[in-house]
Amino acid sequence: KAGVTQTPRYLIKTRGQQVTLSCSPISGHRSVSWYQQTPGQGLQFLFEYFSETQRNKGNFPGRFSGRQFSNSRSEMNVSTLELGDSALYLCASSSAIRTGPIQETQYFGPGTRLLVL
Amino acid sequence: AQSVTQLGSHVSVSEGALVLLRCNYSSSVPPYLFWYVQYPNQGLQLLLKYTTGATLVKGINGFEAEFKKSETSFHLTKPSAHMSDAAEYFCAVSDPGGATNKLIFGTGTLLAVQP
Repeated sequence: KAGVTQTPRYLIKTRGQQVTLSCSPISGHRSVSWYQQTPGQGLQFLFEYFSETQRNKGNFPGRFSGRQFSNSRSEMNVSTLELGDSALYLCASSSAIRTGPIQETQYFGPGTRLLVL
Repeated sequence: AQSVTQLGSHVSVSEGALVLLRCNYSSSVPPYLFWYVQYPNQGLQLLLKYTTGATLVKGINGFEAEFKKSETSFHLTKPSAHMSDAAEYFCAVSDPGGATNKLIFGTGTLLAVQP
């Protein structure tokens, strides 16, 4: 099976712009989570989608949003970019074949490295 | 609230020496625990995980970890370090009672392996 793919791999934007990142999960996986990784804050959970519904959200401002499509592909959007949004954005997918108390193994993509100038 | 503490942001060992990376967690309920590894310019790869059952968990690449509830620890070990083990290692915790895959990560430990 192909792994989690993220596009683009690298991105340079300027302050005030918006950006959309894409994540294609492993085939058959229905849960997609997003994380932000920075040297200062480490790995922080952004949100998780399952069957097109957001089922958990981290402590990020409303400028960060996401969505999931019927084929489980997910996008995240950051509007009005700030310098502090420069980070590696990681997407992870899991099979999550059922809801409820579960912890399926999450498989991470290579990430999108965003630089905001 | 759950949290994870990794003692030592940088650890250096000689090739062939024991690797010990420390992880302590805080959780009101017995959590699920994970170790991930990240190589430069790559995503995270799962090394091993503890959910329930046997407290000594074996993972890939010769790594293992032991869940010690009384010490709230989940330290990662490998008997003999290899040059290819040089990477950053993250301990993570999740809430088994929540209908979510959210992971809370530690700040990471950068492992250097000296020849």
